[in-house]
Amino acid sequence: EEQLLESGGGLVQPGGSLRLSCVASGFTFSTYAMVWVRQAPGKGLECVAIIGGLDDNTYYADSVKGRFTISRDNSRNTVYLQMNTLRVEDTAVYFCAKRGRGLVAADSWGQGTLVTVSS
Amino acid sequence: EIVLTQSPGTLSLSPGERATLSCGVSQSVISNCLAWYQQKPGQAPRLLIYGASSRATGIPDRFSGSGSGTDFTLTISRLEPEDFAVYYCLQYGSTPWTFGQGTKVEIK
Repeated sequence: EEQLLESGGGLVQPGGSLRLSCVASGFTFSTYAMVWVRQAPGKGLECVAIIGGLDDNTYYADSVKGRFTISRDNSRNTVYLQMNTLRVEDTAVYFCAKRGRGLVAADSWGQGTLVTVSS
Repeated sequence: EIVLTQSPGTLSLSPGERATLSCGVSQSVISNCLAWYQQKPGQAPRLLIYGASSRATGIPDRFSGSGSGTDFTLTISRLEPEDFAVYYCLQYGSTPWTFGQGTKVEIK
């Protein structure tokens, strides 16, 4: 069974930093692209970062470009989201997800971790 | 950035009725990389449809997707009690991936 488990969320002041982790199991992690998606309280979904499987190419939403960095450690089956210069509007539940093969979209999701940016 | 617009914002229906949800896209979706997700309160999204019309593993056949280019539809043929939720479309053919704002299907 495929599983994704996020951690690292919490309360941080504006301008601060936080690193989220997502540990994967049940599939060959290194061969799949991974995605971070966030959801502000009561709002919709926003894809913030993507990292390729075998090629490690990265992509970011304009709202986080230059502040967030996605990376992966295939030896630990883990994908990270380093979040710097956090803003109040970054407050959200952050989900990690696995992109499926070929035309399959994000098909396995973690339960999410809450990040609250507040003074 | 590609913009997705879902309609209606809220759909009020009774169990057993048919639900038709629409997703309009600001430019043609590459390779029909359009997906539909279901989300219930406090839960992660669940993949229903990918490639515009392919059902994900374990998804009942009352869920179907159609469309191409810039206009896509999710149809739930007969609503079951567990289908009342929020539904999102996602285009993943171009980066950044973008979601629609969601359609809430509520019990009438």
